[in-house]
Amino acid sequence: GDSVTQMEGPVTLSEEAFLTINCTYTATGYPSLFWYVQYPGEGLQLLLKATKADDKGSNKGFEATYRKETTSFHLEKGSVQVSDSAVYFCAYNSGGSNYKLTFGKGTLLTVNP
Amino acid sequence: EPEVTQTPSHQVTQMGQEVILRCVPISNHLYFYWYRQILGQKVEFLVSFYNNEISEKSEIFDDQFSVERPDGSNFTLKIRSTKLEDSAMYFCASSGGQEQFFGPGTRLTVL
Repeated sequence: GDSVTQMEGPVTLSEEAFLTINCTYTATGYPSLFWYVQYPGEGLQLLLKATKADDKGSNKGFEATYRKETTSFHLEKGSVQVSDSAVYFCAYNSGGSNYKLTFGKGTLLTVNP
Repeated sequence: EPEVTQTPSHQVTQMGQEVILRCVPISNHLYFYWYRQILGQKVEFLVSFYNNEISEKSEIFDDQFSVERPDGSNFTLKIRSTKLEDSAMYFCASSGGQEQFFGPGTRLTVL
């Protein structure tokens, strides 16, 4: 069935380190892909998105490229900050009329000073 | 900036009791959703709601669950006769299109 597989956490990095969180999906058709972030005590916030193959989503220094050939949407950031500590969720919707999201399990990122 | 709000932030109930989780979506949005996250597991879609009716529901969303938009601003999830396995974080979301805006969640604990 349709699913999202994310890199298992937790991930612990030092400030200014390079971040990659892997995400692959299994879905029919041409889904739109998303990364959501959840800071402690808050709801899910959209971080970035890509709606078609080869699109690159970017926001706050984070990037992810929609790779249809590998069904992947890996999240990267060149230099993480302590304030990036959060849980990151990869997700997709398959379009249609209601845009429901299918999520991965989430990856906890902790950035130490 | 408009945001989705949810109340209560934490609800504790006894098994078999009914609970109502409340959400106030962003005012000009037309699509509404409930998701849940059992501790340590993925966020799961429960139900979507559009034009005053359910547009899609998951296999989790059985007869125990119902949703309602009683007054044009609130969007509620009712769980009848709660079970231990209903303990989870419940997220409400709303959208005007592809991007969904999430509330902070209600943590439901069933004892």
